[in-house]
Amino acid sequence: DVKVTQSSRYLVKRTGEKVFLECVQDMDHENMFWYRQDPGLGLRLIYFSYDVKMKEKGDIPEGYSVSREKKERFSLILESASTNQTSMYLCASSPGQWRNTEAFFGQGTRLTVV
Amino acid sequence: AQSVAQPEDQVNVAEGNPLTVKCTYSVSGNPYLFWYVQYPNRGLQFLLKYITGDNLVKGSYGFEAEFNKSQTSFHLKKPSALVSDSALYFCAVRGPTGRRALTFGSGTRLQVQP
Repeated sequence: DVKVTQSSRYLVKRTGEKVFLECVQDMDHENMFWYRQDPGLGLRLIYFSYDVKMKEKGDIPEGYSVSREKKERFSLILESASTNQTSMYLCASSPGQWRNTEAFFGQGTRLTVV
Repeated sequence: AQSVAQPEDQVNVAEGNPLTVKCTYSVSGNPYLFWYVQYPNRGLQFLLKYITGDNLVKGSYGFEAEFNKSQTSFHLKKPSALVSDSALYFCAVRGPTGRRALTFGSGTRLQVQP
């Protein structure tokens, strides 16, 4: 089974802090994604990566950056956390033959910024 | 641009009755369509997908979905609902070209009453 693991289930951070959310997948997938989930808005794509050191902005990249130094690991960085970044963050991965393949999700990180 | 609409925020159904969760999509070309389920404070679990072929797709936990190209719909169905089916359901689409990431709808909460 594909496993996507997010480093924390719950995080509480203070406004202005730099926050790192980590995601690791164990299936040698080329593609990795970060979404945020908010009630009534569904999942919105923040960033994705299709290879090591390669990244592309999604629909809502403002206030976020990402890092992919190794194929299995994709980090989401909040440069200066703000209260409007309080949300559920979901990491996902999919293989190189991605067109007709589902994405596999981690368990999510619920981030609260106070 | 591609998009997904889930017109119902919540669907209520009695245990044992059939259920339908609606989804319509917009994409250029032939769509790749997916359904996911999310239980409280968990990540998304894949249920089923339509890639090509038979318009009726069967998936996990007794769920099925019907692809209707003329109505651009992909409704999720189950002949007999269980209380344990109560969860948040997401429809997602990917087009034949371009964006690797799935585009999600806003989600529909299914409540099955005993």
